[in-house]
Amino acid sequence: DIQMTQSPSSLSASVGDRVTITCRASQGISNSLAWYQQKPGKAPKLLLYAASRLESGVPSRFSGSGSGTDYTLTISSLQPEDFATYYCQQYYSTLGITFGQGTRLEIK
Amino acid sequence: EVQLVESGGGLVQPGGSLRLSCAASGFTFSSYWMHWVRQAPGKGLVWVSRINSDGSSTSYADSVKGRFTISRDNAKNTLYLQMNSLRAEDTAVYYCARVLPPTGTLPAAMIKRLFQHWGQGTLVTVSS
Repeated sequence: DIQMTQSPSSLSASVGDRVTITCRASQGISNSLAWYQQKPGKAPKLLLYAASRLESGVPSRFSGSGSGTDYTLTISSLQPEDFATYYCQQYYSTLGITFGQGTRLEIK
Repeated sequence: EVQLVESGGGLVQPGGSLRLSCAASGFTFSSYWMHWVRQAPGKGLVWVSRINSDGSSTSYADSVKGRFTISRDNAKNTLYLQMNSLRAEDTAVYYCARVLPPTGTLPAAMIKRLFQHWGQGTLVTVSS
């Protein structure tokens, strides 16, 4: 299976901050990378796919980039509703879908 | 509106069995691949299984292969997960998830591994 490693595991930030979360794959995944947001007690929500494509209805302050094995999720100006846990997911491999371990974004 | 509603979770002893259901509405269920994803308490997301649109093809994570069976009834718009020989490490919230619709730009094979809609989850606890 392709292993996905996110960093940092947790992050404290303030409303209005610019935040970046990184996801590294154990092998190249050709931009087959999605990002999800999960709030406590709720199901995950798809934010971006194909590394940089914004899902319908997701605010434009969310953006993604990367290639090969390294990808990033950026929130340009944190809003109160953005404090949550974020997961990356690779969907490149037909042998199995894998997620990163998550990045918990907390209010400073 | 797309809705996915899981049911069937609960407390079961190690070695026991449980069948989860996911009732789908608001879309043409028979046109979409479906998946199960689980999340142990306080932990991350783990893909469990998937089934193609007509139920003829399935795939499983190694950790559940041979113990879990995914199936669907397109006439009833319902997805199932039969879980046998349950272990303590199977304790988790189980989510069913529907994939993205065809985008016209992404390869179909990849869309089928992207989760656009999720249910609210059902908790399975394996304990004596």
